[in-house]
Amino acid sequence: DTEVTQTPKHLVMGMTNKKSLKCEQHMGHRAMYWYKQKAKKPPELMFVYSYEKLSINESVPSRFSPECPNSSLLNLHLHALQPEDSALYLCASRLGLAYQETQYFGPGTRLLVL
Amino acid sequence: DQQVKQNSPSLSVQEGRISILNCDYTNSMFDYFLWYKKYPAEGPTFLISISSIKDKNEDGRFTVFLNKSAKHLSLHIVPSQPGDSAVYFCAATMRSGGGADGLTFGKGTHLIIQP
Repeated sequence: DTEVTQTPKHLVMGMTNKKSLKCEQHMGHRAMYWYKQKAKKPPELMFVYSYEKLSINESVPSRFSPECPNSSLLNLHLHALQPEDSALYLCASRLGLAYQETQYFGPGTRLLVL
Repeated sequence: DQQVKQNSPSLSVQEGRISILNCDYTNSMFDYFLWYKKYPAEGPTFLISISSIKDKNEDGRFTVFLNKSAKHLSLHIVPSQPGDSAVYFCAATMRSGGGADGLTFGKGTHLIIQP
């Protein structure tokens, strides 16, 4: 089983709203990722958590705030977003052991900021 | 500067024939490569991968070839089936980094299988 789940599937929010995206996996993976994908573009890395610690933040604006409460769960807290932040937000996970590089992606949350 | 390039935005292939998708990379630190398939409004689905210590990896209808000296890889799908119609992303990472650097993706190739 290589399932990564993401909720919600769709989200519409105003620029003053606060919302959260949720990602869950029960494969025992210890590395989890957030990517952002704009239309007709490739996914771009935002954050990496390794063993529940933030290891990479790809210069993402502070209006995006990641959180990893435990090894199965990854959240992305959104606040004061801009319309240009509208995109598909993808979560991925990886086993986290050496020589286990394959990342498995969830279905994504399609976000629209008005 | 794009480190992973897929120069064909789209490719049309007859059902039953071979589909060949190409990918080039510029960062010589990349040592692990993956292919993902993506349908609209879904997450990428892992297809096949290859380490830089190999030049070929095969899984059913899918074969990936790696030419390290040319910094080029290709994905072969034989025979092509209608369900293969999707966008295919080439991705790369540094195994030495434990994959913690995340994946760097190409822009994707839209494969269309004609009946």
